[in-house]
Amino acid sequence: AQSVTQLGSHVSVSEGALVLLRCNYSSSVPPYLFWYVQYPNQGLQLLLKYTSAATLVKGINGFEAEFKKSETSFHLTKPSAHMSDAAEYFCAVRQYAGGTSYGKLTFGQGTILTVHP
Amino acid sequence: DTEVTQTPKHLVMGMTNKKSLKCEQHMGHRAMYWYKQKAKKPPELMFVYSYEKLSINESVPSRFSPECPNSSLLNLHLHALQPEDSALYLCASSQEGTVTTNEKLFFGSGTQLSVL
Repeated sequence: AQSVTQLGSHVSVSEGALVLLRCNYSSSVPPYLFWYVQYPNQGLQLLLKYTSAATLVKGINGFEAEFKKSETSFHLTKPSAHMSDAAEYFCAVRQYAGGTSYGKLTFGQGTILTVHP
Repeated sequence: DTEVTQTPKHLVMGMTNKKSLKCEQHMGHRAMYWYKQKAKKPPELMFVYSYEKLSINESVPSRFSPECPNSSLLNLHLHALQPEDSALYLCASSQEGTVTTNEKLFFGSGTQLSVL
């Protein structure tokens, strides 16, 4: 089964600093990868998804992620952190199910991002 | 309308109660999902409905009973729950009617359930 591992359950940065949230996937076939954000007491919102059209994927709110097959990674970055970026971030992979079965979306353990003034 | 609406936002119930969670979307999406999220954990898939038919049941206990009355509505009926079932229950939808594995899911804000 495909899975993702997020390195670091908590990341703390200063406002204006680079944000780097790490995600590695395990897959024997090309994966379908996503980053979601969850603000407190809310559902999840898609930041970006990897579609295989480009290795560098740009998402909302200034986030981007780079797919690196050689490293089996899909790390999320943002050049300059904002206070409003404080949230929990989930990397997710969609399993290829085949036939008419839906691909199951499996989440990593999540990374809580704290932004200091 | 690009929202998935879940009601109620909070629910407290006893172990002998019967309650229902409701989810609604008007985006014309053909797949709807129930996820369970325990505190400080990622969401875990419970059920998937495709064209109003149950397509995935992740071995969820029978005290959770999903229902999809029509393409816009998804219910989760709860009966004889246990305290360990306390969690945030998230509903999601996606446009796909067949496998399109990079389709994104739209999530509701969830129902925070407490079982006493």
